[in-house]
Amino acid sequence: GAGVSQTPSNKVTEKGKYVELRCDPISGHTALYWYRQSLGQGPEFLIYFQGTGAADDSGLPNDRFFAVRPEGSVSTLKIQRTERGDSAVYLCASSGGAQETQYFGPGTRLLVL
Amino acid sequence: DQQVKQNSPSLSVQEGRISILNCDYTNSMFDYFLWYKKYPAEGPTFLISISSIKDKNEDGRFTVFLNKSAKHLSLHIVPSQPGDSAVYFCAASGLHSGGGADGLTFGKGTHLIIQP
Repeated sequence: GAGVSQTPSNKVTEKGKYVELRCDPISGHTALYWYRQSLGQGPEFLIYFQGTGAADDSGLPNDRFFAVRPEGSVSTLKIQRTERGDSAVYLCASSGGAQETQYFGPGTRLLVL
Repeated sequence: DQQVKQNSPSLSVQEGRISILNCDYTNSMFDYFLWYKKYPAEGPTFLISISSIKDKNEDGRFTVFLNKSAKHLSLHIVPSQPGDSAVYFCAASGLHSGGGADGLTFGKGTHLIIQP
């Protein structure tokens, strides 16, 4: 079956612009996670959805970052007023439920100029 | 403060020999540990996991060992193959470990290079 997909694969934007990153989880997976990976670092947790609700958003760095999952499947990570420090690979993962193995998508490479 | 540490940024091993990747953690609330493998421009791929109630889990060429008293785990790959060349991430989670419910806490990764 299809794995986790993310679009776009690459995104270049200018400082101050708004961006949306999309994640399609594995069909039937109820849990969805967003992570951010900066150069030379491991992925860093941002937010976790169980179904439609954000069960934990404690990893979001500030209020410029927001994520939604309105129908419990596809999720969108939204970044307002982008800054150069937001440049990173944004990874999405899904799992069959809490405490189950997370499967990652290929990531979206965001570059803020 | 890094809760999951992979102290070797890179490791070079000859093809056919054993590769041993190490990982240390500091949060005693972690109860589930995973290893992911990552190729350039791809997302991490799940390799193997271990629950804190076990001290060993084996899957083909891959074995993970957990030493809870030392807060240390290791991944053994034997025999090592050229396709094993990648970055390996150690990750941990726990219901009450903090840092986001079931979100994983990752180390910085070890770049494994298999020499022919």
